[in-house]
Amino acid sequence: AQSVAQPEDQVNVAEGNPLTVKCTYSVSGNPYLFWYVQYPNRGLQFLLKYITGDNLVKGSYGFEAEFNKSQTSFHLKKPSALVSDSALYFCAVRDMSGGSYIPTFGRGTSLIVHP
Amino acid sequence: DVKVTQSSRYLVKRTGEKVFLECVQDMDHENMFWYRQDPGLGLRLIYFSYDVKMKEKGDIPEGYSVSREKKERFSLILESASTNQTSMYLCASSLSGGGTDTQYFGPGTRLTVL
Repeated sequence: AQSVAQPEDQVNVAEGNPLTVKCTYSVSGNPYLFWYVQYPNRGLQFLLKYITGDNLVKGSYGFEAEFNKSQTSFHLKKPSALVSDSALYFCAVRDMSGGSYIPTFGRGTSLIVHP
Repeated sequence: DVKVTQSSRYLVKRTGEKVFLECVQDMDHENMFWYRQDPGLGLRLIYFSYDVKMKEKGDIPEGYSVSREKKERFSLILESASTNQTSMYLCASSLSGGGTDTQYFGPGTRLTVL
């Protein structure tokens, strides 16, 4: 079985400060991991994914995420937050050894960047 | 760019009505998905389809059915709408069944059932 947790419903950060949105996962085998962003009244947009290789993955809009196998985490980061980064962020996981190729999504974390 | 379109952004229906939500993708993707999104619950998979006329139940299929007669189009049907089906509905597509594929989402349909 595969599952993903986003332990924070909301993250508040000041513009210009670094931001982190947390994600932890549980799989039987190795994971495929994804981050998506949803701006108000929009569908989800892909940010980045980890399949294999380097643990640090770089994505769109200056975001990056670090895969940590020992901590089963895939936290999303950005060195300097912008007000326009305010949105809902979803982490998703798919177990490489699982029978289903459908990813499981977390409940989402609302990021609020204050001017 | 992949484009996934949904027939309506906002929809208001009455309890008991039959409701059709349409989704079209323009990139020849094999897989299509219907999710519902509710605050605090994230995205929950209703149904998905991996080929024309093929469908699989997701986590919450009760009260819903789907139709995929053409590769580019995936319809979600609420046979008899109920107030607990008031939600945001998101359609998505992905290229194939490899599991590494990015999903592309439509803008969503916010359905209100009165």
